[in-house]
Amino acid sequence: DAGVIQSPRHEVTEMGQEVTLRCKPISGHDYLFWYRQTMMRGLELLIYFNNNVPIDDSGMPEDRFSAKMPNASFSTLKIQPSEPRDSAVYFCASSFSPGTQYFGPGTRLLVL
Amino acid sequence: AQTVTQSQPEMSVQEAETVTLSCTYDTSESNYYLFWYKQPPSRQMILVIRQEAYKQQNATENRFSVNFQKAAKSFSLKISDSQLGDTAMYFCAFMKPRGYQKVTFGIGTKLQVIP
Repeated sequence: DAGVIQSPRHEVTEMGQEVTLRCKPISGHDYLFWYRQTMMRGLELLIYFNNNVPIDDSGMPEDRFSAKMPNASFSTLKIQPSEPRDSAVYFCASSFSPGTQYFGPGTRLLVL
Repeated sequence: AQTVTQSQPEMSVQEAETVTLSCTYDTSESNYYLFWYKQPPSRQMILVIRQEAYKQQNATENRFSVNFQKAAKSFSLKISDSQLGDTAMYFCAFMKPRGYQKVTFGIGTKLQVIP
């Protein structure tokens, strides 16, 4: 099993640019989660999907953030426009309900 | 709402020794899952061990074991025969068993294994 796959692993961009993070969950898992990790706030849940449908997006910081899951094997998290305070490590995780969440390697985002 | 507390920001242990990381939680649920995740310098979040609240037997995974005290709402992680590769941040986490899938994480304990 390849595990959860995220791309890119590192992203450096300038303020105001659009950033798209990608995630491929483990095959057969029906839940997908997006987290953000910073030193100040720790690990925060941004949004999660069940069977491709967004269930809870209350953790999405503001309208600049959006997430989609067009099919069971792919999800994106988009930030438009990006700001320096968005710099963080973004994790995608998946699980088979009810169960353990398995994390991807993360995307380290730096917004200059 | 559930809360997870890890009261030890940093700990250190000599290689081959045993160390215990503490975690307490607060919930009104009777059934739930508890987890310990490890995050080494590579930043990958790795599941270490999982405990289901309805199981009285403490979970074990090789050198890792837990002491689950349901009445006290305590869930400590014991690492035996510590190895240099155990150096990492360790996060305690709580999840309700069905329905809402949100996991509540503690703030983490940084463990340093000293050669």
